[in-house]
Amino acid sequence: AQSVTQPDIHITVSEGASLELRCNYSYGATPYLFWYVQSPGQGLQLLLKYFSGDTLVQGIKGFEAEFKRSQSSFNLRKPSVHWSDAAEYFCAVAPPKGYSTLTFGKGTMLLVSP
Amino acid sequence: DGGITQSPKYLFRKEGQNVTLSCEQNLNHDAMYWYRQDPGQGLRLIYYSQIVNDFQKGDIAEGYSVSREKKESFPLTVTSAQKNPTAFYLCASSPHRDVTEAFFGQGTRLTVV
Repeated sequence: AQSVTQPDIHITVSEGASLELRCNYSYGATPYLFWYVQSPGQGLQLLLKYFSGDTLVQGIKGFEAEFKRSQSSFNLRKPSVHWSDAAEYFCAVAPPKGYSTLTFGKGTMLLVSP
Repeated sequence: DGGITQSPKYLFRKEGQNVTLSCEQNLNHDAMYWYRQDPGQGLRLIYYSQIVNDFQKGDIAEGYSVSREKKESFPLTVTSAQKNPTAFYLCASSPHRDVTEAFFGQGTRLTVV
């Protein structure tokens, strides 16, 4: 069964500083990989996804993620954080092809300090 | 506007009562999902359906039931058998049976007192 680990429960970043949120997965093959963002009391919004090909993926709101097969990682990055980026971020995986469901990590709460 | 609508946003029930959460989508998506979210636990899959009149148990199906009589609707019933029903419930849909992208509703916060 696939699993997702987000090692950091909380991260605090100063506004304007760079951000990296970590995600490691466990799966036999390369799964589909996703990053979602959730504001308090809201649903989840897809930031970006990776299926295959170029390992650096661009998403919405200035986010990008890099897939590293050797490390089973899919870390999310942003060069300069804005106060509005404060939210909870979830990494998720799904098996490639066939009938499938998303498996989520436990999330990383991003706090942005002035 | 296309999307997923969950209603109500807040729901209060007394212990021992069954309660049904609504999820409707007008995206013509094949697959629909129910997740439960608790603080620090991420999202856990309750049930999913990839075609009308068929659904599968997820990781935490005990105490829940669903139906999929129409493509656009996937209601979730939280029964009295669910030991700890207070949580935030999220419904999602995906265009196809293999989840290349999931779209989420705004969630329903259920409080059982």
